[in-house]
Amino acid sequence: QVQLVESGGGVVQPGKSLILSCAASGFTFSNYAMHWVRQAPGKGLEWVAVIWYDGNNKYYADSLKGRFTISRDNSKNTLYLQMNSLRAEDTAVYYCAKDYGTGCLDYWGQGTLVTVSS
Amino acid sequence: DIVMTQSPDSLAVSLGERATINCKSSQSLLYSSNNKNYLAWYQQKPGQPPKLLIYWASTRESGVPDRFSGSGSGTDFTLTISSLQAEDVAVYYCQQYYGTLFTFGPGTKVDIK
Repeated sequence: QVQLVESGGGVVQPGKSLILSCAASGFTFSNYAMHWVRQAPGKGLEWVAVIWYDGNNKYYADSLKGRFTISRDNSKNTLYLQMNSLRAEDTAVYYCAKDYGTGCLDYWGQGTLVTVSS
Repeated sequence: DIVMTQSPDSLAVSLGERATINCKSSQSLLYSSNNKNYLAWYQQKPGQPPKLLIYWASTRESGVPDRFSGSGSGTDFTLTISSLQAEDVAVYYCQQYYGTLFTFGPGTKVDIK
């Protein structure tokens, strides 16, 4: 069955960087686009970024202003999110999610919590 | 960017009664070449990741009970729970996937009255 397992979250100081990973299994990872979605404590869902199946196209939410980079390693079935210049407002649970092939998200990981605090 | 709004923010419905959630997009989500609306609905229960319920505005995901239905086209969409069950208590989000940027609605919380 499809499994997505995020890791790399934790407490980080403002201005620092962090890399999140998402290990995928149970499907042919290299055939599907993948997304990151975040959810601040007690708030709604915010789409962060998408990377196409081959890694050649990447798109980001305008609100990120170039601070985040999505990438993938299809040989390792792993999705990444490099987060730079972190701010308090980046505090959230970060989910990785598999694209259905249409743009909606059919499988989600359990999420990893990132807390930006001094 | 396409902005998504939802109404109401929350609602409380008696068990077995109908719950209706509305979602509106700032531009049409209907792609003329395939006549499909690029709109999905998700359910999120406390402490869990979201779960896909509906895509293409009205296609139920495999395994989703048929009391959940989606309707609408263009900019106005509705998620209906025909007979609310206790396990349906959750927050429901719409999401547009028209183009290369994706956005979610702010969510609607559904409770039992």
